[in-house]
Amino acid sequence: EAGVAQSPRYKIIEKRQSVAFWCNPISGHATLYWYQQILGQGPKLLIQFQNNGVVDDSQLPKDRFSAERLKGVDSTLKIQPAKLEDSAVYLCASSSHKGLFFGSGTQLSVL
Amino acid sequence: TQLLEQSPQFLSIQEGENLTVYCNSSSVFSSLQWYRQEPGEGPVLLVTVVTGGEVKKLKRLTFQFGDARKDSSLHITAAQPGDTGLYLCAEISGSSNTGKLIFGQGTTLQVKP
Repeated sequence: EAGVAQSPRYKIIEKRQSVAFWCNPISGHATLYWYQQILGQGPKLLIQFQNNGVVDDSQLPKDRFSAERLKGVDSTLKIQPAKLEDSAVYLCASSSHKGLFFGSGTQLSVL
Repeated sequence: TQLLEQSPQFLSIQEGENLTVYCNSSSVFSSLQWYRQEPGEGPVLLVTVVTGGEVKKLKRLTFQFGDARKDSSLHITAAQPGDTGLYLCAEISGSSNTGKLIFGQGTTLQVKP
């Protein structure tokens, strides 16, 4: 069974630039999550989708972050404009009754 | 929002030693999961504990859920370099397939050969 796919693996940008991350969840998983993991910390939930609807985006900085899952499968997370403190690993996960499965993440460095 | 505290934050030991890491909460867990995360990868689920006092074993790893369901521990026997990684506890808020995970800050384990 294929896992959660994310791209790119690494991204380096300058502050105030824009960046987008892509996630393809495990086939058949209706729930998709984006987490932010700052170095030395545990992952923090940014947004949760159920199919193409948002379940929880209470911790998403909506002035600069946006996410969509238009057809209930793939998802994109965008940051515009990026700040230095956005440097982190962005993890996508999808879930079934067996639990949560994470992708390898996108490591973002904002210079 | 429940706060999960993990200790120690960092642990460096020699191969063959035993160790225990802890996860504590200010309130009762509904259920708790332990994950291991290797550098450059996402967290991978190790175990889920649900019942107070529950003990689960996974090879050399022993997971215990406190009787009051406010704390949990992970004990590793005869640690190996392959055990190196970030160990995270997380509470499930909601159902297992639609709920969200709230993570602790993790314990970074380094096992030296």
